[in-house]
Amino acid sequence: GENVEQHPSTLSVQEGDSAVIKCTYSDSASNYFPWYKQELGKRPQLIIDIRSNVGEKKDQRIAVTLNKTAKHFSLHITETQPEDSAVYFCAATRFKAAGNKLTFGGGTRVLVKP
Amino acid sequence: DVKVTQSSRYLVKRTGEKVFLECVQDMDHENMFWYRQDPGLGLRLIYFSYDVKMKEKGDIPEGYSVSREKKERFSLILESASTNQTSMYLCASSLFGPDPAEQYFGPGTRLTVT
Repeated sequence: GENVEQHPSTLSVQEGDSAVIKCTYSDSASNYFPWYKQELGKRPQLIIDIRSNVGEKKDQRIAVTLNKTAKHFSLHITETQPEDSAVYFCAATRFKAAGNKLTFGGGTRVLVKP
Repeated sequence: DVKVTQSSRYLVKRTGEKVFLECVQDMDHENMFWYRQDPGLGLRLIYFSYDVKMKEKGDIPEGYSVSREKKERFSLILESASTNQTSMYLCASSLFGPDPAEQYFGPGTRLTVT
């Protein structure tokens, strides 16, 4: 089955700096890669996703890049703000309409220092 | 607005007890999932269901079973609770369709087995 590794496990950045989280996956057939954000005490929520036919996707201050050859994808947060402090999870799956099983990475705790 | 609710936020059970965790979603989603969340291990899929009375094992099904008698309700059952099942349990739901769909998570149940 799929295996997703995520690094780093913790990341501390100064407000205004950029943060980068990297994930690698094992199944070359995986074609959908979402990122979820979990604030302290809250439920995970989808913040951005990318499909295998796209190399990069941006949404305001966040972007995700995908390198299918190397089987890794990354989340980039620019101009970090205190509200970006959270745990971020990457995930991968070989999408099919029924039973879309996501395999998650271990999570990255991001702390943005004011 | 999607709403996924779980029967308890906190639960304390004794070793050997049978434990029921319930999840209800109000958005007519076909897919429902049960995860457990442990520090450093991310979200690990226990079971999922893509239709009433249909279920598939996830990555860590041992010691768990599930029931889906109605579309909106998905129950996780610990037949004989053990201390290594102490964890945060998250339920999620998503639409069935030709495109990848966001998984909407419940607030979680923190289960302690003593």
